Amino acid sequence: EDQVTQSPEALRLQEGESSSLNCSYTVSGLRGLFWYRQDPGKGPEFLFTLYSAGEEKEKERLKATLTKKESFLHITAPKPEDSATYLCAVQASDTDKLIFGTGTRLQVFP
Amino acid sequence: GAVVSQHPSRVICKSGTSVKIECRSLDFQATTMFWYRQFPKQSLMLMATSNEGSKATYEQGVEKDKFLINHASLTLSTLTVTSAHPEDSSFYICSASDAGLVTYEQYFGPGTRLTVT
Repeated sequence: EDQVTQSPEALRLQEGESSSLNCSYTVSGLRGLFWYRQDPGKGPEFLFTLYSAGEEKEKERLKATLTKKESFLHITAPKPEDSATYLCAVQASDTDKLIFGTGTRLQVFP
Repeated sequence: GAVVSQHPSRVICKSGTSVKIECRSLDFQATTMFWYRQFPKQSLMLMATSNEGSKATYEQGVEKDKFLINHASLTLSTLTVTSAHPEDSSFYICSASDAGLVTYEQYFGPGTRLTVT
């Protein structure tokens, strides 16, 4: 069964304190792994797609990496505006569906 | 680019009435649209997948007669919650895939908060 597990469930950081969020997955043939950011009461905002092990993508203070079993979202020197829930999702090669993890709620304090 | 809108953003209705939620892709064509439901502090639960011009495919446990989905064009899908009850109160979010890309991303709408009284 395809599955996505995210950890930690919640993360509190001081502004400037770098950290990483983990997304472990099992899928029968990975088409893509997706990272989204979701603010309270809003729809998810697309951040990155990763397709193959070893791939990395960056956007401002965020960097996503991918191995055959997991993905990391590294946050460098976070700011309070980075506070949100970060969702990871996988898509198997034989479907259009996304399977989401339960997310990591990030809070960054000044 | 890749903007998806939803209307309304919030709706309150009485038990037993029906509510229609619209999902539009504003700057791209979406052959496939998806409808999700999200409970507080939980992740997104896929309800159904809709393809333009064909019947929607519902996930296990989702009542197709209660949640009617129509995907009449490449830019519009609607979700109608029929005979709504308080337990249908939730945050409903749609997403769309750009038919012109091969990158498979789904772009999400801002969501609709439904409250059934």
